Parts: sequence; structure tokens; C-alpha cells
Amino acid sequence: SAVISQKPSRDICQRGTSLTIQCQVDSQVTMMFWYRQQPGQSLTLIATANQGSEATYESGFVIDKFPISRPNLTFSTLTVSNMSPEDSSIYLCSVGNSGPYNEQFFGPGTRLTVL
Amino acid sequence: DAKTTQPNSMESNEEEPVHLPCNHSTISGTDYIHWYRQLPSQGPEYVIHGLTSNVNNRMASLAIAEDRKSSTLILHRATLRDAAVYYCILRSTDKLIFGTGTRLQVFP
Repeated sequence: SAVISQKPSRDICQRGTSLTIQCQVDSQVTMMFWYRQQPGQSLTLIATANQGSEATYESGFVIDKFPISRPNLTFSTLTVSNMSPEDSSIYLCSVGNSGPYNEQFFGPGTRLTVL
Repeated sequence: DAKTTQPNSMESNEEEPVHLPCNHSTISGTDYIHWYRQLPSQGPEYVIHGLTSNVNNRMASLAIAEDRKSSTLILHRATLRDAAVYYCILRSTDKLIFGTGTRLQVFP
């Protein structure tokens, strides 16, 4: 299994500002992902964080809005840029090893409220 | 990833078995069937997965139809802690794409 921590656990931010969320895992993993969960909704995949290269974004998500870094196999950051109230969500980091037969582990999430 | 269909909600009484259905009529030969659940105020957690054969682990059992177009997650004795949203996901790549899931309520 993998233990994942996220910082911050929650934050309240002003419109137009940016917030960087950190994800740390206790072991090396090949795959790291970022999800968004809007209030009362299911999880939506934002992007796959690739070590040493640009993240791979899902349809509807762009790098300018959600820049992602992954400097090594245990750490990634997601920045929510130029925030608006519509960005109020829970942001979750997920990790696993490559292969559709492998388990994926999720962090506790970061609850973001934008005023 | 292929689409799955699950009931929006189900109810159970504590200590009774629960059968959570999932339809996936467009499943391909390389799709694994994964189940995850999300307890209130927590990130999702893995429950079980399978390809063709039925699977058992300490949390649940997964029954897969012979044609693989449907599957059932079985909780043998529901507890209050099993109240969660259960997601059935077909996976042929590294990505997990979540649908809307089934909200399971468990009554004492």
C-alpha cells in the first residue's frame, strides 16, 4: 500500500489568487494523478503528473489554469491559478503503479473554498 | 474507457448481505473491472478488481457474468461503516475514470 499526504488539508482563498497543493507519497510510484471533486459530485480526472516532463491533461483542463509539477517519484504539486468561486472543490492526489490491474491509492484531499 | 451503469442508491440493513450491480455491456477484452468506494469526507479506497473470474478478498467478493457484460460487488455482511458511494470502473489504461456510483445506505 501507499500512504499519501496532502498539504494544505483545506484553505479559503480570495478570487484571483493562486494556491499550490502538495502531494507526498511514502514510496516510489510510477503514476501520479490529480482529481477534482466538486460539491456533491463524482471525481473528475484533471491530469496525469509525469516525472520530469509536462503533465498530460484531460479534456477541459489546461496547463495555464492547473500547472502541475512532478520532480521525482514521490512528490507532486498542483497549482490552481487565478481562482474563481467555481474552483471551490476538493482536490485529490492519487498514486499507483503502471498497469490497469494495479490498485490506485488516494490522498485525503484538499478542500478549497474560493470567495 | 467503456461506460458503466449503476443504480443511484441502494439500502441495506446491518449484518445483511448487499449485492451492488454494475452493467458494462460495451466492455472490451482488455478492460479490468474495478470497484472503489468513497466513505464520507474521505478519498476513494480500492475494494476489489477482476478480469474474467470471480474474485474474493477480505473486503468483498466480485461476481463477473460469463459474458462480462455485468458484475456484482457482494458485501457479505454490511456494517454501518460500509455506508459509502461505490464506484464500478472499467479500466484498460493507467487512468481511473469515475462514473456517478451507487450510494449505499446501511441501517442499524
